[in-house]
Amino acid sequence: QVQLVESGGGLVKPGGSLRLSCAASGFTFSDYYMSWIRQAPGKGLEWVSYISSSGSTIYYADSVKGRFTISRDNAKNSLYLQMSSLRAEDTAVYYCARDLQSFDPWGQGTLVTVSS
Amino acid sequence: SSELTQDPAVSVALGQTVRITCQGDSLRSYYARWYQQKPGQAPVLVIYDKNNRPSGIPDRFSGSSSGNTASLTITGAQAEDEADYYCNSRDSSGNHPLFGGGTKLTVL
Repeated sequence: QVQLVESGGGLVKPGGSLRLSCAASGFTFSDYYMSWIRQAPGKGLEWVSYISSSGSTIYYADSVKGRFTISRDNAKNSLYLQMSSLRAEDTAVYYCARDLQSFDPWGQGTLVTVSS
Repeated sequence: SSELTQDPAVSVALGQTVRITCQGDSLRSYYARWYQQKPGQAPVLVIYDKNNRPSGIPDRFSGSSSGNTASLTITGAQAEDEADYYCNSRDSSGNHPLFGGGTKLTVL
C-alpha cells in the first residue's frame, strides 16, 4: 500500500539546522509532486514547500523561504527538507504528503522542537 | 485575499446532518479539498475536487461549492466523525496551497 514515513525530527537550538527525510513506498515516487506540511502544537496546518516530480519546480511558503530547502532523490524514493536558521516558531510536527493538488496520503509526521 | 476562513467549532447531534464551511476568494477559481484529523493522527483526505471521495471514505461525506464558499456536509454524523476538519485550496497565484484554520466538530 501507499506509505510515507518521515524521520529526522528532534530537538535543536535556535539558529541550528536539521534535515528531515521522507521514505515513500507503494507507488511510483518519480511520477508525483511531493509536499511538506507542518502543524505547530495545538495549531492548524501550514503548507511549507512542494517539489515537482522531476525536482525542476519548487515553491516555498514565505515563512520559510531562504531558510528551508526541499529536495528529492527519485532513485531512493525519498524526499528531504533541509532546515536552517531555525526559530522557535518552526516548532511543529512536519508531515510529508503526496501532492496531487490534494494531499493524499500523509506520513505519520516527525516532531521538530526548536528550543534552547 | 489569500486566506481560507472556517468556523472554529461546530457541534451536531448523533445521526443528524452538519455542514462545515470554508470561505475564501480563491475558492472562486480553485477546488476545495477537505481533510479529517483525529487527535494524535495525521490528516486524512475525505473530499477532493469539490465532491469526490477517496476510496474508503463513507458516502455520508459530501462536498459542494458556491461562489467563494465551499462546504463539507456529513449526513447522519457518527461518533467516529468527531475530529478537526480542514479545507485546502490554492492562493490567487495558484502556486501556494492554503489551509483553512480548521473546524473542531463535536458529535453530541
